[in-house]
Amino acid sequence: QKEVEQNSGPLSVPEGAIASLNCTYSDRGSQSFFWYRQYSGKSPELIMFIYSNGDKEDGRFTAQLNKASQYVSLLIRDSQPSDSATYLCAVMTGNTGKLIFGQGTTLQVKP
Amino acid sequence: KAGVTQTPRYLIKTRGQQVTLSCSPISGHRSVSWYQQTPGQGLQFLFEYFSETQRNKGNFPGRFSGRQFSNSRSEMNVSTLELGDSALYLCASSSSDEQFFGPGTRLTVL
Repeated sequence: QKEVEQNSGPLSVPEGAIASLNCTYSDRGSQSFFWYRQYSGKSPELIMFIYSNGDKEDGRFTAQLNKASQYVSLLIRDSQPSDSATYLCAVMTGNTGKLIFGQGTTLQVKP
Repeated sequence: KAGVTQTPRYLIKTRGQQVTLSCSPISGHRSVSWYQQTPGQGLQFLFEYFSETQRNKGNFPGRFSGRQFSNSRSEMNVSTLELGDSALYLCASSSSDEQFFGPGTRLTVL
């Protein structure tokens, strides 16, 4: 079992719709959870991080964490073609400086 | 604030050679982590340095090494290059848990 799992996609949504990206992790000791966006040929860009159970909102983005189910998700409201990218879920256990990444989900937003 | 910088951006080497990559973190950040990204394996953690000390290391062979200087700049070295070392090498700097990535160094081993 991989430590962090994501559906590779592609996930295709129409412009203006809500995109839902999901991630599960295996280490119950994981404490910090991150979502990165990576455009083709570019480096990952931090979108959001979440530490506590529940929802955290930042503009069009909402991160949701459920530690009991070992599940973290990212919702993108009013999806735009510019949101088309690979979204990487990453998990950190303790203050180790070590992020464990999923394989990423490719999102396509169609005009 | 300037972001994370990495040099060089592109590098072509042949098998058996060695290579040194450099990373300058965001001003004030004392932690630098290094990652390797390949299409097959995705992003994998190499090691992390904080205040010139390696705090954590991933599952890579000893050919991969690094160091950090007193100004928090970091270098990683790969000796005896193999074809499979071709990858995008990313460094990330942080002052807490959130890590911010540099543009990466694209290494091609021929």
